[in-house]
Amino acid sequence: DQQVKQNSPSLSVQEGRISILNCDYTNSMFDYFLWYKKYPAEGPTFLISISSIKDKNEDGRFTVFLNKSAKHLSLHIVPSQPGDSAVYFCAASSLIQGAQKLVFGQGTRLTINP
Amino acid sequence: DAGITQSPRHKVTETGTPVTLRCHQTENHRYMYWYRQDPGHGLRLIHYSYGVKDTDKGEVSDGYSVSRSKTEDFLLTLESATSSQTSVYFCATRGGLGAKNIQYFGAGTRLSVL
Repeated sequence: DQQVKQNSPSLSVQEGRISILNCDYTNSMFDYFLWYKKYPAEGPTFLISISSIKDKNEDGRFTVFLNKSAKHLSLHIVPSQPGDSAVYFCAASSLIQGAQKLVFGQGTRLTINP
Repeated sequence: DAGITQSPRHKVTETGTPVTLRCHQTENHRYMYWYRQDPGHGLRLIHYSYGVKDTDKGEVSDGYSVSRSKTEDFLLTLESATSSQTSVYFCATRGGLGAKNIQYFGAGTRLSVL
C-alpha cells in the first residue's frame, strides 16, 4: 500500500517554461512534506518543504502547493533551467516516538530541453 | 550538508556472504537512517537510530541489522546477502529536538549481489 504516489514517472519541459510535478498521499497524519532532487550517482538533496498547516511555500524559482482536502501537493519550477534536469522525489513526514520518518514517492524524472 | 560519508561507494559480493555498509557523519546529528532505492519504489526505510545503541525497524528491515556504538557511525549489515538486496543504499541524518524537519543524505552505496 503506497502512502505517497508520484504518478508521472517522467516529464519533459522546454527551457524557460514552467515545470509542475505532482504528488498524492493517503495518510492525513503526515505533518510535513518535502521535495528532494537527485542527480545520477549522488544522494538526494533537499529542495523545499511545507508544513501541513500551510498551503504554499516559495523559495526563489521553486514553489510548493499543498491541498490538504485533496491530499495533493505540487512543485512548480519557473522558469525551468537545464540544470533542473534530475529525478524529483516527494516525501511525507510523520513523527513517531520523537523520530521523524519519511515516506517517499517513486520519483519523477524531469528533463528540461534547451 | 551534514558531512555524511558512506563507505564503500560500490561493492560486488556473492549470495550468502555477510556485508557491512558504513555511514559516518560529522554534524553530531542525533537521528540516522538507512534507506534503499529501487526502480519504481523510491526510497524505502530499512532501519533508523534515535541515539547511541537505540535503533528501530523501518518498512523493509527483513534480512538487515544495524548498530550504532558512536554518535557519528551507523552500520548496516546484510547478514546473508541475497540477490533481492541488490540496490543503492543511502544513509541520512537529522538533528535532534528543534532541528528542521529535513533529512540530509549521503552519496550512496551501490551494492550488487551475484
